[in-house]
Amino acid sequence: EDQVTQSPEALRLQEGESSSLNCSYTVSGLRGLFWYRQDPGKGPEFLFTLYSAGEEKEKERLKATLTKKESFLHITAPKPEDSATYLCAVGGDTGGFKTIFGAGTRLFVKA
Amino acid sequence: DAGVTQSPTHLIKTRGQHVTLRCSPISGHKSVSWYQQVLGQGPQFIFQYYEKEERGRGNFPDRFSARQFPNYSSELNVNALLLGDSALYLCASSLAVTDTQYFGPGTRLTVL
Repeated sequence: EDQVTQSPEALRLQEGESSSLNCSYTVSGLRGLFWYRQDPGKGPEFLFTLYSAGEEKEKERLKATLTKKESFLHITAPKPEDSATYLCAVGGDTGGFKTIFGAGTRLFVKA
Repeated sequence: DAGVTQSPTHLIKTRGQHVTLRCSPISGHKSVSWYQQVLGQGPQFIFQYYEKEERGRGNFPDRFSARQFPNYSSELNVNALLLGDSALYLCASSLAVTDTQYFGPGTRLTVL
């Protein structure tokens, strides 16, 4: 069964304290792994798309990496404005394309 | 450039009623997907349409239906509303079926 598991469920950091979020997945016919940021009551905001193991992408304080079974979102020297829920999703093509989301990691960054 | 737009922003219905939610994709995008997000959970995939044809369907009952119009906008219909249908309904658009999806702000549906 296609599945996405994110850990930890919640993460509290001090400003400047770097850390990583994990996304483990099982999917048939992987067509892409996606990271989004979501603020309360709003739609998810696109961050990265990764397509193959070994691929890495960076944007400001964020860096996403991909292996055959998991992806990491590394946050370097976070700021309070990085506080949000970070969602991981995989696109799979098995008898119809589906995008499966994890439950997300709620990040709190304290000044 | 305008992003994905959804209407209405908020909606309150009673059990048993019908609701229609609307979505306009980013200009040039031909695929629209619908998701249901309950508080504290990740979005759950409902449907994906591309060029007016259904290309993917999630595990939702037949009370949920959708369609895509020639201008690539889309409607999500939910019949016989239940209390459990209360959620944020998200629409996302993409260039094609497997491309990166960009989300709208969502429609908050409350069923009383």
